[in-house]
Amino acid sequence: DTEVTQTPKHLVMGMTNKKSLKCEQHMGHRAMYWYKQKAKKPPELMFVYSYEKLSINESVPSRFSPECPNSSLLNLHLHALQPEDSALYLCASSQAPWRMSNSPLHFGNGTRLTVT
Amino acid sequence: SQQGEEDPQALSIQEGENATMNCSYKTSINNLQWYRQNSGRGLVHLILIRSNEREKHSGRLRVTLDTSKKSSSLLITASRAADTASYFCATVPNTGNQFYFGTGTSLTVIP
Repeated sequence: DTEVTQTPKHLVMGMTNKKSLKCEQHMGHRAMYWYKQKAKKPPELMFVYSYEKLSINESVPSRFSPECPNSSLLNLHLHALQPEDSALYLCASSQAPWRMSNSPLHFGNGTRLTVT
Repeated sequence: SQQGEEDPQALSIQEGENATMNCSYKTSINNLQWYRQNSGRGLVHLILIRSNEREKHSGRLRVTLDTSKKSSSLLITASRAADTASYFCATVPNTGNQFYFGTGTSLTVIP
């Protein structure tokens, strides 16, 4: 089991639905990340929060909206998704933003999202 | 793409044999990390090697780094069936704002 908890584990949603993915860590890490991973591909960075502020948005479509309510929680709000958005969404955290230290990433087990 | 390239893409070996996978990258790096991913799970950090290090060991893992060739290798000795997973290298560049994952190697260890 990991120290980064993601819910739900699986999500099926229609293209008109609004849903949210949740991520929680209690390791005192100050950087949190969202990655998207397609089958047999490496994870692709979507967003980075550093000290609860959005520091990187990798040109992600606005139908994905991140939120960091506090240093332990990270949400990803989903609206009007497309079938090609179906993927494994991974949350990760690190002790400090990776540009400032040699902190490894700690990943959750992901949310398997299917858009119908 | 700034991604690293890994080879082989897939590797199948017998239990007890050694497994070697290679990673090549494009930019100058601060450090290079290796991660393992079991099917349908998150990635797990294995080992980190800094740009001023050439070799590092952790249990059955041995990592080498050649910054002049922009390449790294991961050796898993005395493999076990439980080592079956995908392995990704990840680079942290000196400049820029990305944390780049390689294309990955799928390892199958046959009992």
